Amino acid sequence: QLQLQESGPGLVKPSETLSLTCTVSGGSISSTSYYWGWIRQPPGKGLEWIGSIYYTGSTYYNPSLKSRVTISVDTSKNQFSLKLSSVTAADTAIYYCARRTVTTVEYWGQGTRVTVSS
Amino acid sequence: QSALTQPPSASGSPGQSVTISCTGTSSDIGIYDYVSWYQQHPGKAPKLMIYEVNKRPSGVPDRFSGSKSGNTASLTVSGLQAEDEADYYCSSYAGSNNFVVFGGGTKLTVL
Repeated sequence: QLQLQESGPGLVKPSETLSLTCTVSGGSISSTSYYWGWIRQPPGKGLEWIGSIYYTGSTYYNPSLKSRVTISVDTSKNQFSLKLSSVTAADTAIYYCARRTVTTVEYWGQGTRVTVSS
Repeated sequence: QSALTQPPSASGSPGQSVTISCTGTSSDIGIYDYVSWYQQHPGKAPKLMIYEVNKRPSGVPDRFSGSKSGNTASLTVSGLQAEDEADYYCSSYAGSNNFVVFGGGTKLTVL
């Protein structure tokens, strides 16, 4: 059974860079059928697509976040990562990593809460 | 790309049916049969319930069904059960840049 697990700091200071890693188990991140992505959910609000990456390293970002987002993949560790720069309180959210196909998001990690505060 | 539009709330009594709508545009729902629906219980990650408009993943009860007409997709939950009380989100593939757009979510209450 595929499992995705987010890890990273739960508290980030304003203007700094948020960094999260997703470890994939029960399946290969190098599969040609899937993309690996990040989705966030601010407290009490809806879901927002951040971006995704293919195992080759091709990336696709939400235009509203593109200037601040970097997603990378490490196939040797079966992991992919998110960096979000210049964070503000508006970036406080639960961050989910996920596996998607072109048509849908099939599997979600349990999510990790990130708070932006000094 | 703008978020898809969902009603903030819906409700029904046990055993009844309820339908949740999700309105997009001719750039997402209207052009792609790639609408998905997710169920989210409090404190939990979303769970895929419907994909490609009307397909159910293994293990999802057939009480859940999806449809689409024009720029609007719908999720119908038949034979409501207490455990169906949750937030429901729709999403659609939106083409350019492999983008995914979500709805704002609908809180389903089982009365």
